[in-house]
Amino acid sequence: EPEVTQTPSHQVTQMGQEVILRCVPISNHLYFYWYRQILGQKVEFLVSFYNNEISEKSEIFDDQFSVERPDGSNFTLKIRSTKLEDSAMYFCASSARQGAGEQYFGPGTRLTVT
Amino acid sequence: GENVEQHPSTLSVQEGDSAVIKCTYSDSASNYFPWYKQELGKGPQLIIDIRSNVGEKKDQRIAVTLNKTAKHFSLHITETQPEDSAVYFCAASSPGGGYNKLIFGAGTRLAVHP
Repeated sequence: EPEVTQTPSHQVTQMGQEVILRCVPISNHLYFYWYRQILGQKVEFLVSFYNNEISEKSEIFDDQFSVERPDGSNFTLKIRSTKLEDSAMYFCASSARQGAGEQYFGPGTRLTVT
Repeated sequence: GENVEQHPSTLSVQEGDSAVIKCTYSDSASNYFPWYKQELGKGPQLIIDIRSNVGEKKDQRIAVTLNKTAKHFSLHITETQPEDSAVYFCAASSPGGGYNKLIFGAGTRLAVHP
């Protein structure tokens, strides 16, 4: 069964450093998302991406964040200058259809900022 | 913006009993309501979903009901088994922009005791 994969599973970085989180969505999916989950809290929407453009972003997704689909398979989230409060689980999701389509999540990357 | 409330936060049942988790949403335009199961160290797994043109949907031991008038939806698990133990999240999606970000509830930790 196709699945979303994410690397690395755990990333430790120092405050102020740049990190890139990588995702490989399900191969025939066209809509991509990043969510994050701070320990013990809700899963929160960060950004949606379609046709090489951001389609929607949340207030969390400020100028320090960017997304990219550098090739036909990867989807990346970059945090330019990490802060302590960026420590969270980051989940990538993908969907085959526009509108009320099922979103399938990857296993997540645990980001720890020290 | 859209808000989703989920109750209870924890639920403990004996194996074979039923479990019910309830969610309410605020945006009357919401039209898609998925439920996710999250096991320790894994990403959210889609287990069932319902769209706003349907009042109930069932898949083996799990069912979801939707009351659009009251703006609430529920997950029902019958004949619970220890492997049902996990955190369950409800979510709601509104059609704004067509790309359907998910707004999650806070989660319910279900423990099924043998």
